[in-house]
Amino acid sequence: DVQLVESGGGLVQPGGSLRLSCAASGFMFNTYWMTWVRQAPGKGLEWVANIKGDGSEKYYVDSAQGRFTISRDSAKSSLSLQMHSLRAEDTAVYFCARGGIRRSTPFDFWGQGTLVTVSS
Amino acid sequence: EVVMTQSPVTLSVSPGERVTLSCRASQNIVDNLAWYQQKPGQAPRLLIYGASTRATGVPARISGSGSGTEFTLTISSLQSEDFAIYYCQQYNNWPLYTFGQGTKVEI
Repeated sequence: DVQLVESGGGLVQPGGSLRLSCAASGFMFNTYWMTWVRQAPGKGLEWVANIKGDGSEKYYVDSAQGRFTISRDSAKSSLSLQMHSLRAEDTAVYFCARGGIRRSTPFDFWGQGTLVTVSS
Repeated sequence: EVVMTQSPVTLSVSPGERVTLSCRASQNIVDNLAWYQQKPGQAPRLLIYGASTRATGVPARISGSGSGTEFTLTISSLQSEDFAIYYCQQYNNWPLYTFGQGTKVEI
């Protein structure tokens, strides 16, 4: 079975950094696009970033560009999101999700999410 | 950016009723539209992709339709497990995925 398990969330001060991880299993990890989606408390879903199976392409929402870095380790079947210069508006549950083998596909499996709280 | 607008924001219904949720895109997205269901404290679950194709394990009472800019999710006979928030998502304007704001289906 496909499983995605996030970790690394927590409380961080404004301007601080945090690294999220997502452990994947049950599928050929290096074949699929992977994505981070976030959800602020009581709000809707926002796509944050995605990365191609081989790591050669990465894309970000404008608000994350230059502050967040998505990466993957195929040997460990792991996805990461390094976040710097965190702001209060980055407070959210961060989900990792599986895209498709090709571009332009929805997200068919999701992790349970990890909560990031940016506050002093 | 493609803006996705869902209506209504909240839908109050009784079990057994037929419900119709709407999603409108600000530009033509062909059929690159997905629907997700999210229950409190849980991750979203993919229900529909390609505007009308049910994902694995999704019951036949849930269906999707539409193309271009107007889309609909229909639940033919609402069951207790269907009370949740539903989001539409466009993936035509890749990689800039965008979601609607959600429709809450409540008792």
